[in-house]
Amino acid sequence: NAGVMQNPRHLVRRRGQEARLRCSPMKGHSHVYWYRQLPEEGLKFMVYLQKENIIDESGMPKERFSAEFPKEGPSILRIQQVVRGDSAAYFCASSPPLKEDGYTFGSGTRLTVV
Amino acid sequence: QKEVEQNSGPLSVPEGAIASLNCTYSDRGSQSFFWYRQYSGKSPELIMSIYSNGDKEDGRFTAQLNKASQYVSLLIRDSQPSDSATYLCAVSNSGGSNYKLTFGKGTLLTVNP
Repeated sequence: NAGVMQNPRHLVRRRGQEARLRCSPMKGHSHVYWYRQLPEEGLKFMVYLQKENIIDESGMPKERFSAEFPKEGPSILRIQQVVRGDSAAYFCASSPPLKEDGYTFGSGTRLTVV
Repeated sequence: QKEVEQNSGPLSVPEGAIASLNCTYSDRGSQSFFWYRQYSGKSPELIMSIYSNGDKEDGRFTAQLNKASQYVSLLIRDSQPSDSATYLCAVSNSGGSNYKLTFGKGTLLTVNP
């Protein structure tokens, strides 16, 4: 029973490029959560998605960031026109409906903008 | 603005000692509390959850919750060098967004052989 899978593990982008981060939830899980960990900062909630629906995107920066969780395939966190301040570790977690326990996170994607 | 505060450390203890990690939170309506362990360069790993006042023990770990004081702690008995990591306190939001966790910045624990 594979855990939450994220890829790529490491991603290097030049300023102005696009970054696409992928998250495949655990089998049977239909809820996905994205968090960002900036250097020397705590984990910050970004977005909560269910299949084909964005439930809460209150933690997403207003511009350049978007997320989706299609009916088929992984959840995608997309960052357009990346800037150096986007360099961070991005973690995804998943859960079944109505689960109130803490999440299990994937291994994360470490984005470096050069 | 919901906040979770932790002493950043580093907290240094000798092998075999008890490590005590503390956390306070601002959202009085929070119902769920978690401790995660994060090794350098790795993802956070859930090690304890606690939902009601009092103590909860799991092996060498004991979580303590005092909702009146808005205080959560984690005790690690018989500390081992492999326990050296950053420990993150996380608190669920109250109300309809209880799926959302607010994390502290973490306490760096070093266990010296």
